[in-house]
Amino acid sequence: GNSVTQMEGPVTLSEEAFLTINCTYTATGYPSLFWYVQYPGEGLQLLLKATKADDKGSNKGFEATYRKETTSFHLEKGSVQVSDSAVYFCALFSGNTGKLIFGQGTTLQVKP
Amino acid sequence: KAGVTQTPRYLIKTRGQQVTLSCSPISGHRSVSWYQQTPGQGLQFLFEYFSETQRNKGNFPGRFSGRQFSNSRSEMNVSTLELGDSALYLCASSLAAGRNEQFFGPGTRLTVL
Repeated sequence: GNSVTQMEGPVTLSEEAFLTINCTYTATGYPSLFWYVQYPGEGLQLLLKATKADDKGSNKGFEATYRKETTSFHLEKGSVQVSDSAVYFCALFSGNTGKLIFGQGTTLQVKP
Repeated sequence: KAGVTQTPRYLIKTRGQQVTLSCSPISGHRSVSWYQQTPGQGLQFLFEYFSETQRNKGNFPGRFSGRQFSNSRSEMNVSTLELGDSALYLCASSLAAGRNEQFFGPGTRLTVL
């Protein structure tokens, strides 16, 4: 079945450091891929998406490229801020099941 | 445009009781999905509604049910609550069924004592 695997956290970085959160997926067909972010006490916010191979999603300095050959969708940011501290979820959408399938989430803590 | 709203934000119930959670999607969105978030199981899909019909259902017992009204608002109901039902219940809306971009509400935090 379809699944998403993310790198385990927590990830602790200093402000202005480079961020990578790894995400790989298993799916039949051509799913759409997403990154969501969850701040403490809140719901999920859509951070970025990519709907086909080689698409690059980007938003607020975050980027991820849909790599079909490696079945990956790694999240990157060149310079993190304290305000980026949150839990990040990688997800795929399977059209035939009509649902989002999430990874287990990666907690990012950015220290000043 | 207002986002997805969920009420109530917090609920405390005891085992055996039932609970109803409400979700109002973004204006113009006609599909509503529900997810359960727990520390142990992560985010799991409960069900999806479109045009007042359940289109998809996750792997949850029959105690979990839902419905959608003609104005696209949705409710989910959990009967005979168990301790393990304690979770954050998230509602997501999208323009139509099968549309992959889903927007989430703030969630309802349910605690079962």
